[in-house]
Amino acid sequence: EAGVTQFPSHSVIEKGQTVTLRCDPISGHDNLYWYRRVMGKEIKFLLHFVKESKQDESGMPNNRFLAERTGGTYSTLKVQPAELEDSGVYFCASSQPGLILGGELFFGEGSRLTVL
Amino acid sequence: AQSVAQPEDQVNVAEGNPLTVKCTYSVSGNPYLFWYVQYPNRGLQFLLKYITGDNLVKGSYGFEAEFNKSQTSFHLKKPSALVSDSALYFCAVRDFTNAGKSTFGDGTTLTVKP
Repeated sequence: EAGVTQFPSHSVIEKGQTVTLRCDPISGHDNLYWYRRVMGKEIKFLLHFVKESKQDESGMPNNRFLAERTGGTYSTLKVQPAELEDSGVYFCASSQPGLILGGELFFGEGSRLTVL
Repeated sequence: AQSVAQPEDQVNVAEGNPLTVKCTYSVSGNPYLFWYVQYPNRGLQFLLKYITGDNLVKGSYGFEAEFNKSQTSFHLKKPSALVSDSALYFCAVRDFTNAGKSTFGDGTTLTVKP
């Protein structure tokens, strides 16, 4: 069974440019999450999809960030325009349906974003 | 609001010795507690979880964790460390008030020396 896959693994962009990160969750996992780790600090929640619907987007830092999950399958996270403080590792995770509280997360390897 | 504290940035142990990685938490309701491990250039991998029941939880690779409600702690332990256990460890918590959201600690780097 394929795990959670993320693309690209590393992106280097200039301040003001746009970057789109993609996540393909494990097949059948309705719950999809985006997290971010900045400068070796804690892993911070960004948002949670249940199928194609945004269940909780309270962690999105500002309106420069836009997440979508077309048809309840893969998800994209767009940063436009990127700022220096957006640099970090963006993790995607998925979990099984019906286990929102008790279900463990399956993580991708992360997309490292460097904004110069 | 829920929070997690991992008081040690770094834990060093000798191979064969027992190891403990500490975690304390704060939640409004009953906690759902998790440990994850991250090896270099890899994603986080699930180790074990406490949902309910027995306070001592056993997980992957010989790890276990003890849930202590009075001390609000969920320390990760292993009786005999291996060099291959060297990695970054994260504790995480959820509760009913933030059903979909896991809150993570800053992580603890475990180094096991031969």
